[in-house]
Parts: sequence; C-alpha cells; structure tokens
Amino acid sequence: QSALTQPASVSGSPGQSITISCTGTSSDIGGYNYVSWYQQHPGKAPKLMIYDVTNRPSGVSNRFSGSKSGNTASLTISGLQAEDEGDYYCSSYTSRTTYVFGTGTKVTVL
Amino acid sequence: EMQLVQSGAEVKKPGESLKISCKGSGYSFTNYWIGWVRQMPGKGLEWMGIIYPGDSNTKYNPSFQGQVTISADKSITTAFLQWSSLKASDTAMYHCTIALNGDFWFDPWGQGTLVTVSS
Repeated sequence: QSALTQPASVSGSPGQSITISCTGTSSDIGGYNYVSWYQQHPGKAPKLMIYDVTNRPSGVSNRFSGSKSGNTASLTISGLQAEDEGDYYCSSYTSRTTYVFGTGTKVTVL
Repeated sequence: EMQLVQSGAEVKKPGESLKISCKGSGYSFTNYWIGWVRQMPGKGLEWMGIIYPGDSNTKYNPSFQGQVTISADKSITTAFLQWSSLKASDTAMYHCTIALNGDFWFDPWGQGTLVTVSS
C-alpha cells in the first residue's frame, strides 16, 4: 500500500488561504468518506484537525476546512496564522490494509 | 478526559527484544481501536497496525506484518508494541492513538515513545 500523495511544502503569507491536496486511489480516498487530517508541530504528537472529509472536531478553528473530489481530498486553511506552521498529514481508511497516511506537507507562514 | 500515556524512551542494541506500552484512561478501553504509528527521524507518519481490545482483533499493515506484534491487556487498559529482534532501522518515534469502533479517525494520541537501536 503506497502512501497517499501530498505536496512536500506549501507556503503563504499571514491572512492568506492555502490548500493542501492529498491524492489516493479508488481503494482509499475515492472509495470512502473516511479522510482525516492531522497537524503535527516539531517534537509533538499529531493533532486531529478534520475527520470524515469535512468535519471539524470541537476546539479546532473554523479556519480549517476539508473537501473531497474523486480520489483527491483537500485541506484548506484560511486566514493563515503563524501558529498554523507545521506538518500536515492526510489519512484514509483503505480496503487493502487498514489505514494509509499521506506523505506529509510542511506549511510555512512567510 | 480521554488520555493515552506511553512508556518512556528506550535505547537498545540490535538483536535485542523490546515491548513498549500505551495505557488508556478516561474511556471504555474495549470499545476503541488502538493504532500504532511509526515516525522515523525526519520522516512522515506510517500506520503499523490496529487492535480492538474488545476481541483482540488485530490488523497489520503489510510492511509491518511479521516484524512486530501488537497486543492488548484489557485488565490493565494497556496496549503493547513488541519486537523480538530489533534492527537499527527500527529507530523511530512510536505513537499510539485511538478510534471509537465504527469511527475512522483517531483522537487523542499518546505522547510518543522514542526507540533508539544502536550498537
């Protein structure tokens, strides 16, 4: 099971919006609405930001939103803030194994 | 409050065995899947496998099948990740996390256990 494909890095200025893509196959992203997104700051545990493609856990800013089209899911961060810097990973349930992560995207706030 | 507390950092030699733990509290231990995730130095997250303590149903991702053993002890609400013969390439941070049975997202996460394998 290969990792889902994400861009290695995305950057934006404070206040701007950025979008991170996550591309898989019909066996994972395309086949299920079970995509979640995790934020990880250096030396810290991952934190759930989005689940089931579009849902935001309690306590997560509404600046974070998720979507999906076909085999590609996306995470959009609007009103970019310095605290949003970090690594972001998508994850999907897959019929082939259990779950698969994306390759990870480093977000930089310029 | 749902919480996962992992055992402390380990330094081992190649060929040695190791068992690290993840203790859950604040939730019904047998109703949640526990997942183990590897993060090699400077690299991304990788799913290793998941276990359902309610019936010990365990699923491994192919890359880790036969390389590690995932188990759980309901009596002490603790999950384990075990190696019989460590390799230098097992050096990594290992995280545990949970998902309610029927859900497909994981939250919260343990603080991680750093395993260093070096001669």
